[in-house]
Amino acid sequence: GGIITQTPKFLIGQEGQKLTLKCQQNFNHDTMYWYRQDSGKGLRLIYYSITENDLQKGDLSEGYDASREKKSSFSLTVTSAQKNEMAVFLCASRPPGHTNTGQLYFGEGSKLTVL
Amino acid sequence: TQTVSQSDAHVTVFEGDSVELRCNYSYGGSIYLSWYIQHHGRGLQFLLKYYSGNPVVQGVNGFEAEFSKSDSSFHLRKASVHWSDSAVYFCAAAATSSGQKLVFGQGTILKVYL
Repeated sequence: GGIITQTPKFLIGQEGQKLTLKCQQNFNHDTMYWYRQDSGKGLRLIYYSITENDLQKGDLSEGYDASREKKSSFSLTVTSAQKNEMAVFLCASRPPGHTNTGQLYFGEGSKLTVL
Repeated sequence: TQTVSQSDAHVTVFEGDSVELRCNYSYGGSIYLSWYIQHHGRGLQFLLKYYSGNPVVQGVNGFEAEFSKSDSSFHLRKASVHWSDSAVYFCAAAATSSGQKLVFGQGTILKVYL
């Protein structure tokens, strides 16, 4: 079996700071995702990538950058953290094949707090 | 725009009861549907999925879901819940035309009392 590792698990930053979250997967999956989860809300897609060096914007991409330099890793950068922002960022990957479109494997999440 | 709606924010049952968590989607074409479970402080875990074929699909831990095209629904069911089933459940959908963008509902908090 594989695993998705997100680092750091907790991230505390200052307003205006650039903050980076990292995600590693050893499933050898092509497609990877970054979602944002706010308390009481569902998951909202920030960026996804269907292969190395590919980036696709989700519904919430403004204020974020992403990077997929290797197949196994997918990074997300908050370009300017907003004060009082608190959310959990979830990384996921997907097995190949269209029938697996709905089957994502998730990491444990990275919790962001902005002071 | 494709949307996923989970009408119940909270559902409370007793251990051994049956439960149904509702999910409706808005999209007219072919669609991929799935359910996930999230225990407190953890990531999401895949439960089951549907794309075509038998509209009733079986998942892990006794969960099943039924697809209905006429109702635009994909409700999750379990015949006898256990206290450890207490968690947040998310329904998700991806239209075949949207490629690999999976859209999630807002989640239903299931509490199972002993």
